[in-house]
Amino acid sequence: QKEVEQDPGPLSVPEGAIVSLNCTYSNSAFQYFMWYRQYSRKGPELLMYTYSSGNKEDGRFTAQVDKSSKYISLFIRDSQPSDSATYLCAMSDNNDMRFGAGTRLTVKP
Amino acid sequence: SQTIHQWPATLVQPVGSPLSLECTVEGTSNPNLYWYRQAAGRGLQLLFYSVGIGQISSEVPQNLSASRPQDRQFILSSKKLLLSDSGFYLCAWSVSGAYNSPLHFGNGTRLTVT
Repeated sequence: QKEVEQDPGPLSVPEGAIVSLNCTYSNSAFQYFMWYRQYSRKGPELLMYTYSSGNKEDGRFTAQVDKSSKYISLFIRDSQPSDSATYLCAMSDNNDMRFGAGTRLTVKP
Repeated sequence: SQTIHQWPATLVQPVGSPLSLECTVEGTSNPNLYWYRQAAGRGLQLLFYSVGIGQISSEVPQNLSASRPQDRQFILSSKKLLLSDSGFYLCAWSVSGAYNSPLHFGNGTRLTVT
């Protein structure tokens, strides 16, 4: 079992849809959780950074962490074609960071 | 604000040739620096990280080496490239001493070994 599991997709949605991206993990020591957005041929860009369980909202993006289920989510409201990218989850504890393989998202106009 | 520069953006090299990829960070002092390789569908693999000048830790035995000659400069090298070295190489930095500080990535170098 991989330490971090992320469905690679691809995921295709119409413009305006609500998108749900998810990761599961096995290491209960992870305390810090991140979501990165990566456009084609570019480096990952930090979108959300959260600590422990709970929700964090930033504009159209909401990050949700459920440590009891070892499950994290990123919700995108009112999705736009410019949201088309690969989304990577990441998590860490004691400076040991692990990444998911990424989910490729396409938002169609 | 902090910025990270990585070059070149793309590189095509023959097998057996040397490699030098460079990364510099601006706007911060004594950052932690990292080299990752990203393979399609396989996520990010940590290759090297550095917490200070001349301090390099290797995560995976391989044909590559890293050096940090200056505080905000990180170099990835190889003496003789292999076909298996092809990939997308990413440099990243994080705040030194900040427990679990997130990583900030450069725009990567696409390396093709022919």
